Amino acid sequence: KQEVTQIPAALSVPEGENLVLNCSFTDSAIYNLQWFRQDPGKGLTSLLLIQSSQREQTSGRLNASLDKSSGRSTLYIAASQPGDSATYLCAVRDYNQGGKLIFGQGTELSVKP
Amino acid sequence: ETGVTQTPRHLVMGMTNKKSLKCEQHLGHNAMYWYKQSAKKPLELMFVYNFKEQTENNSVPSRFSPECPNSSHLFLHLHTLQPEDSALYLCASSQDLGAGGITDTQYFGPGTRLTVL
Repeated sequence: KQEVTQIPAALSVPEGENLVLNCSFTDSAIYNLQWFRQDPGKGLTSLLLIQSSQREQTSGRLNASLDKSSGRSTLYIAASQPGDSATYLCAVRDYNQGGKLIFGQGTELSVKP
Repeated sequence: ETGVTQTPRHLVMGMTNKKSLKCEQHLGHNAMYWYKQSAKKPLELMFVYNFKEQTENNSVPSRFSPECPNSSHLFLHLHTLQPEDSALYLCASSQDLGAGGITDTQYFGPGTRLTVL
């Protein structure tokens, strides 16, 4: 059964740093992988979606990569800002579970001014 | 603000109460979802509706009863809940259930924070 793990669980960095969030999944049979942002007490906002045939996607200061064969994805955030503070969730759309989204537990990011 | 709204945003209820959560999407989507997010746990899919028909019940206890009267509205009826049901309940919608399609991004509402006493 697909499992998604995110490391680290929490991360605190000073403003301006470049940082990498990691996501791993146990079954490479996926349709796509998606990164979400969740602010405290709020719903999820989709940041980037990478199809299984793609290697990376970029949006502004965010870059997400996907290595399906090794079951890994990274979310790179350049020049971090306090406004980037949130929980970042990784989710895969699992082929063997009818396309269900399987989520990791998230990485709680705090960017200090 | 997303195109998915949820009411109420916060709800406190006793174990013998009956209450309902409401979700509405203004995106013209055909698929709607209920998720549960407990503290320190990954989001768990509860129910899926596609074109008003329930397509998935992820082994959810019967004290949670979903209803989808049309493609824009989704309800979650609650009765005789337990304290461990306290969580953030998130609603989402997508164009449809075309798994793997380029437009299958799910759009989430802000959630209802439920506390069961």
